[in-house]
Amino acid sequence: EADIYQTPRYLVIGTGKKITLECSQTMGHDKMYWYQQDPGMELHLIHYSYGVNSTEKGDLSSESTVSRIRTEHFPLTLESARPSHTSQYLCASSEFNTEAFFGQGTRLTVV
Amino acid sequence: KNEVEQSPQNLTAQEGEFITINCSYSVGISALHWLQQHPGGGIVSLFMLSSGKKKHGRLIATINIQEKHSSLHITASHPRDSAVYICAVITGTASKLTFGTGTRLQVTL
Repeated sequence: EADIYQTPRYLVIGTGKKITLECSQTMGHDKMYWYQQDPGMELHLIHYSYGVNSTEKGDLSSESTVSRIRTEHFPLTLESARPSHTSQYLCASSEFNTEAFFGQGTRLTVV
Repeated sequence: KNEVEQSPQNLTAQEGEFITINCSYSVGISALHWLQQHPGGGIVSLFMLSSGKKKHGRLIATINIQEKHSSLHITASHPRDSAVYICAVITGTASKLTFGTGTRLQVTL
């Protein structure tokens, strides 16, 4: 069973609000990832981290930011949410070349 | 052209049928994942493989590194197998995943 958790599962929020999506894992994995998935579409990497104090942008440009102050925690922040940010956000973790574990996802709707 | 291509995109099968989903990729990889995504959105890793074949219950995954091709087989399919199956390749030192577009499987009684 995967020990990676995302909160909230669902979020409906107004335009212009600041939001933080939480992701935590208890497996001690160094590598963590945020993926974005629009309905019916494939997942795209938006951020990843090799370890504490290391963050990189992914393949898909995103206005969100991330931080990695602790190994187990990899939050994603949108400073000013817009309707174009409506999507599903999935967090994952792994070690090098090992199985990836995914959270349940956060379904974000910006109105 | 996507780096990871899956076929078919949609698949409907009757309970009990043998199912094959194919994945082709065009980049060098260190390993390949087969993932299952249910309507609620959560993703579960079914297999991670870098060579040969793996079996878990009614699921079998194979990979041919030279041909850059992998297949996922489901034997004796069941309605609870209905989900989106996603092929994802692992590349680079960051172990980033690049995903296929997924195969939507519907198994009917």
